[in-house]
Amino acid sequence: NAGVMQNPRHLVRRRGQEARLRCSPMKGHSHVYWYRQLPEEGLKFMVYLQKENIIDESGMPKERFSAEFPKEGPSILRIQQVVRGDSAAYFCASSTRDANNSPLHFGNGTRLTVT
Amino acid sequence: EDQVTQSPEALRLQEGESSSLNCSYTVSGLRGLFWYRQDPGKGPEFLFTLYSAGEEKEKERLKATLTKKESFLHITAPKPEDSATYLCAVQAMRNQGGKLIFGQGTELSVKP
Repeated sequence: NAGVMQNPRHLVRRRGQEARLRCSPMKGHSHVYWYRQLPEEGLKFMVYLQKENIIDESGMPKERFSAEFPKEGPSILRIQQVVRGDSAAYFCASSTRDANNSPLHFGNGTRLTVT
Repeated sequence: EDQVTQSPEALRLQEGESSSLNCSYTVSGLRGLFWYRQDPGKGPEFLFTLYSAGEEKEKERLKATLTKKESFLHITAPKPEDSATYLCAVQAMRNQGGKLIFGQGTELSVKP
């Protein structure tokens, strides 16, 4: 039973380029969450998605960041025109349908480095 | 504002030396409090969920407890393989799904 799969594990981008981070939830999980972990900081919520719907994006920066979870395929976190401050570990988590009473299961993250 | 504070930031123990990690929280209506373990270069690994004051959960050498203001993670006779960062997080009633507010973590090091 595969866990939450994220790829790539490491991603290097130059300032101004686009970064695409992918996440496949655990089998049977229909809720996906993205969190960001900046150096020396805790995990911060970014966005909560269900299939084809954004439920809560209160933690997403207003510009350059977007997320989707299409009917088919993985969830994508997209960062346009990256800046050095975007360098961080980005974690995806998933949960079952009853997300209010089930724990989140995290992937091993994508470490984004902006040069 | 909802907030989670963990202490100490770092803890060094000798193998077999029991101790406790603290998680203080303020949240407008607690739906659940979660403990995770995170190893370097990995994602957080779920340990426990606690829902109401007085509740306790145990797993091997770990026991988590909950009051109305804080949670403790007790580690009994730790082993070097217990070395990791332990994260505490809360879920507020008003938030949908699994939106969690995390503390900064306690980095535990257990020496043989």
